[in-house]
Amino acid sequence: EAGVAQSPRYKIIEKRQSVAFWCNPISGHATLYWYQQILGQGPKLLIQFQNNGVVDDSQLPKDRFSAERLKGVDSTLKIQPAKLEDSAVYLCASSVTWDRGPSDYGYTFGSGTRLTVV
Amino acid sequence: EDKVVQSPLSLVVHEGDTVTLNCSYEVTNFRSLLWYKQEKKAPTFLFMLTSSGIEKKSGRLSSILDKKELFSILNITATQTGDSAVYLCAVFTTDSWGKLQFGAGTQVVVTP
Repeated sequence: EAGVAQSPRYKIIEKRQSVAFWCNPISGHATLYWYQQILGQGPKLLIQFQNNGVVDDSQLPKDRFSAERLKGVDSTLKIQPAKLEDSAVYLCASSVTWDRGPSDYGYTFGSGTRLTVV
Repeated sequence: EDKVVQSPLSLVVHEGDTVTLNCSYEVTNFRSLLWYKQEKKAPTFLFMLTSSGIEKKSGRLSSILDKKELFSILNITATQTGDSAVYLCAVFTTDSWGKLQFGAGTQVVVTP
């Protein structure tokens, strides 16, 4: 089974520029998550999709971050304009469905995108 | 506010030592606790614990949950350099719509 694919792997941008990350979940997984992991911290959920609808975006800084999951498959996360504090690893994860919980039901993380804002 | 706290934040051990990592939590509507190993970027799943007092084991790794005292322990015996990683604890609640609440992690360095 192919894993969760993310690109790019690394990105360096200047503050106030824009950037976009892409995620392709495991085939058949209805739920897709974007997590932000700042150095020295655990991952924090930014947004969760069930198919192409948003389930939870309570911790997404909506003035600069946006995300979409058109057609309920792959997803993009955008930051515009970027700030220095956005430097982090952005992890995408997917699961069969949210209400069956993680791990045993295939909650799998991608390798992430490391963003550095200078 | 839900909290997941891991300790210690980091430790250095020699190959062959035993490591004990702690995770305490204060959350409403607890459902399960998970341990992940993070070597480069992608956290990889180790264990999921839902019932108190039941030990999960996989090779040299084992974990137990205490739902009364609200903590979990991850043990690694006969450590190897390949065990060097950040170990993340996360909690899943029944009202979180699938969201995992993570601790800050414990950085483990195993020296030869």
